Amino acid sequence: SQQGEEDPQALSIQEGENATMNCSYKTSINNLQWYRQNSGRGLVHLILIRSNEREKHSGRLRVTLDTSKKSSSLLITASRAADTASYFCVTSGSGNTPLVFGKGTRLSVIA
Amino acid sequence: GAGVSQTPSNKVTEKGKYVELRCDPISGHTALYWYRQSLGQGPEFLIYFQGTGAADDSGLPNDRFFAVRPEGSVSTLKIQRTERGDSAVYLCASSLRPPGSGSPLHFGNGTRLTVT
Repeated sequence: SQQGEEDPQALSIQEGENATMNCSYKTSINNLQWYRQNSGRGLVHLILIRSNEREKHSGRLRVTLDTSKKSSSLLITASRAADTASYFCVTSGSGNTPLVFGKGTRLSVIA
Repeated sequence: GAGVSQTPSNKVTEKGKYVELRCDPISGHTALYWYRQSLGQGPEFLIYFQGTGAADDSGLPNDRFFAVRPEGSVSTLKIQRTERGDSAVYLCASSLRPPGSGSPLHFGNGTRLTVT
C-alpha cells in the first residue's frame, strides 16, 4: 500500500501563526502529493514533490521530503481562517497503484 | 467541462434499493477513480480505471458494488441492494496520466448517499 499517515490528527492555531503537518509512509516512492479538503466534499491538489527533491514552495506553502526517513512535512505560513480544512498526503510509486489516502490532519485556524 | 462533475449531488434511498452514481471526468483524462468517505475519515479507495478497463478494483467492498466506464469517459458506480452502512459521500476523481506519474487528481464535489 502507498498510504501515507498524517500527524497530528488535529491541530488548532491562531490566525497568523504557522501550521506544520507531517506525513510518514512505508514504501519507496516516486512522488508525494498534498491535498486539502474543505467541508467534507471534493479534495483540492496543493503541491507535488518528487523523490529527487528535498523542498518545494508554492505561495504560503512549503513542503519538505526526507526519503531516508520516509517522511514529509507541509508548512503553511501566516495562516488564515480560510486555511481551516483537512489536509492529506498521498504517495505513488513506480507502478500504477492507485493513490490511497490516510485519515488526514484536521487544521482549525481561529480568527 | 471545467472540472469533474458528479450527479446527483445528494441521493436518499431506501434499504434494499439499487442506485447509480455518475461521474463526468475532465475531458482527456485517462485515469478515473472512485472513493467513498465517511465522516471524520479519509477517502477510501474503491476502484480505478485506466481508459475503459478497471485497472484495480481491489477496494470494492463486496459484489453489490460495480462500476463501469464503457467509452473511457463517463463512469457509473452501481450499488445493488443498498444497506445503511453504504451511506457515505462518494467521490470521483480523474487525472491526465496514470497514478505513478504524479499527475494530480481532480476531484468532483461528491455524491452524498443516504440509505434509510
